[in-house]
Amino acid sequence: DAGVIQSPRHEVTEMGQEVTLRCKPISGHNSLFWYRQTMMRGLELLIYFNNNVPIDDSGMPEDRFSAKMPNASFSTLKIQPSEPRDSAVYFCASRMDTRNYGYTFGSGTRLTVV
Amino acid sequence: GQQLNQSPQSMFIQEGEDVSMNCTSSSIFNTWLWYKQDPGEGPVLLIALYKAGELTSNGRLTAQFGITRKDSFLNISASIPSDVGIYFCAAYSGAGSYQLTFGKGTKLSVIP
Repeated sequence: DAGVIQSPRHEVTEMGQEVTLRCKPISGHNSLFWYRQTMMRGLELLIYFNNNVPIDDSGMPEDRFSAKMPNASFSTLKIQPSEPRDSAVYFCASRMDTRNYGYTFGSGTRLTVV
Repeated sequence: GQQLNQSPQSMFIQEGEDVSMNCTSSSIFNTWLWYKQDPGEGPVLLIALYKAGELTSNGRLTAQFGITRKDSFLNISASIPSDVGIYFCAAYSGAGSYQLTFGKGTKLSVIP
């Protein structure tokens, strides 16, 4: 089991550029979550997919953020255009829904927008 | 909304000492989880608790689900340097819940 795989691990981009973060959940997990972590706000849920369908995107900060899950093994989080205040660590997590197990997190993408 | 109040925010302890941290809320939860986050990594699940009053151990770690379902604690015995990190409590509010509520974390530093 390779765990939840995120790429890239680090991303530095200029303000105004488009950023795409990628996630491969654990095979067999049917729920996928994107989180953002900052010192000020801690872990914030951005969006939740169940069986590839977005269920709750109320945490997405604004229209500059979008997420897709075209199939059970891949998801993207896109920021366009990026701003310095988007700098944070973005985590993808997945879960199998048969029980209230905790999520399995990826190693995260550290995004710096300059 | 639902909040988990985690304390202490940070701790400095001597290697070999025992550690205790807790999480409280004004809301009822039906599952409590404890995660550890190492620097530069994602949180890793340590212990899951599913019943009020449940006491569960994982090596040197022991966690309990409070009887009132509004709190949980985590103890680490005989701390070692690799225990350094941020510990998060998290909880689900009901059967079928998908969204974990997270505490703000307890940052643990171990002095060799």
